[in-house]
Amino acid sequence: DGGITQSPKYLFRKEGQNVTLSCEQNLNHDAMYWYRQDPGQGLRLIYYSQIVNDFQKGDIAEGYSVSREKKESFPLTVTSAQKNPTAFYLCASSITGTGGSTDTQYFGPGTRLTVL
Amino acid sequence: GESVGLHLPTLSVQEGDNSIINCAYSNSASDYFIWYKQESGKGPQFIIDIRSNMDKRQGQRVTVLLNKTVKHLSLQIAATQPGDSAVYFCAENIWGDKIIFGKGTRLHILP
Repeated sequence: DGGITQSPKYLFRKEGQNVTLSCEQNLNHDAMYWYRQDPGQGLRLIYYSQIVNDFQKGDIAEGYSVSREKKESFPLTVTSAQKNPTAFYLCASSITGTGGSTDTQYFGPGTRLTVL
Repeated sequence: GESVGLHLPTLSVQEGDNSIINCAYSNSASDYFIWYKQESGKGPQFIIDIRSNMDKRQGQRVTVLLNKTVKHLSLQIAATQPGDSAVYFCAENIWGDKIIFGKGTRLHILP
């Protein structure tokens, strides 16, 4: 897990509720990412941030929101607008986020979100 | 635990044999490649990487081979052990762009 923590490990949500997933890193990495993982599919990018107070939408940002107020933290909120939120959510970080070997992403342990 | 490997191709290998996991990447402009290992219910773990100016790189019990002509990447694991059981996936990166992750291959170790 290498200095990236996610909490909680398991999360249950009722339909219509917003829920926030925590991601913290102590690697002093500039860039942080959120991915969604569904069975049989590759990782899909939700949001990423290359610097504090700035973030960009990934491929599947609809129904999600993020903030990056501190370098160490990149929380993800799954809103009620996300139609199919049940999935495994992974947070990652990299040194610079600009590509190449310094862009190797290191992952947290993941949060399994289930909508009841 | 979380089953992230449903419907993935599976490679079954006898314990002690060598494993070869293959990956076809999509973009000829990709210049950096990474292999990850993901155990059930856990986040992906970095294994080894290779740049496009290399065709082979070795780590501890693992070797990555890159064939840019056919856009093919492979991960070789020597003397496969029960702890190697996981989903393995490759990732490709173009400088200044985001990483693209493959769907993965499940490695199953036979006793």
